[in-house]
Amino acid sequence: DVKVTQSSRYLVKRTGEKVFLECVQDMDHENMFWYRQDPGLGLRLIYFSYDVKMKEKGDIPEGYSVSREKKERFSLILESASTNQTSMYLCATHSLGATNEKLFFGSGTQLSVL
Amino acid sequence: LAKTTQPISMDSYEGQEVNITCSHNNIATNDYITWYQQFPSQGPRFIIQGYKTKVTNEVASLFIPADRKSSTLSLPRVSLSDTAVYYCLVGNGNSGGYQKVTFGTGTKLQVIP
Repeated sequence: DVKVTQSSRYLVKRTGEKVFLECVQDMDHENMFWYRQDPGLGLRLIYFSYDVKMKEKGDIPEGYSVSREKKERFSLILESASTNQTSMYLCATHSLGATNEKLFFGSGTQLSVL
Repeated sequence: LAKTTQPISMDSYEGQEVNITCSHNNIATNDYITWYQQFPSQGPRFIIQGYKTKVTNEVASLFIPADRKSSTLSLPRVSLSDTAVYYCLVGNGNSGGYQKVTFGTGTKLQVIP
């Protein structure tokens, strides 16, 4: 089974703090994604990466950055957390070259910014 | 990437068959249709995927008409544990070597005892 592990299930941070959300996958997948999910808004794509050190902006990249130094690890960084970044964050992976759109998700990190 | 439209919510009694329809009018020739299920406080999980006609697995069936501009996810004899949000996605994993995958707001299915 594919395993996508997010480092924290729940996280509480203060406004202005730098926050790191980590995601590790064990399936050697090329593509990795960060989403946030808010009530009534569904899943919105923040950033994605299709290779080590490569990244592309998603629909809502403002206030976030990402890092992909190793293929298995994709980090989401909130440089200066704000209360409007309180959300559920979901990491996902996808295999390059697959003939379909099958994504594998982690369990999510519920981030609260106070 | 093809945009999808689904009902925001649906209610069903236990034991009934539930059909959730997704519209994707600008689907491309090489796009697949994929459905995900998400329970509260969990990430979405893949349930079924198809290209045309009908696909069935142990969880659901997926019906796709000839024009492929819509698809219907069918859940047979739902139980309370099927209460979840269901997302329809349309896209192609081979497009340009990488892709941006965007979810809509999904359909919240509430199964009633």
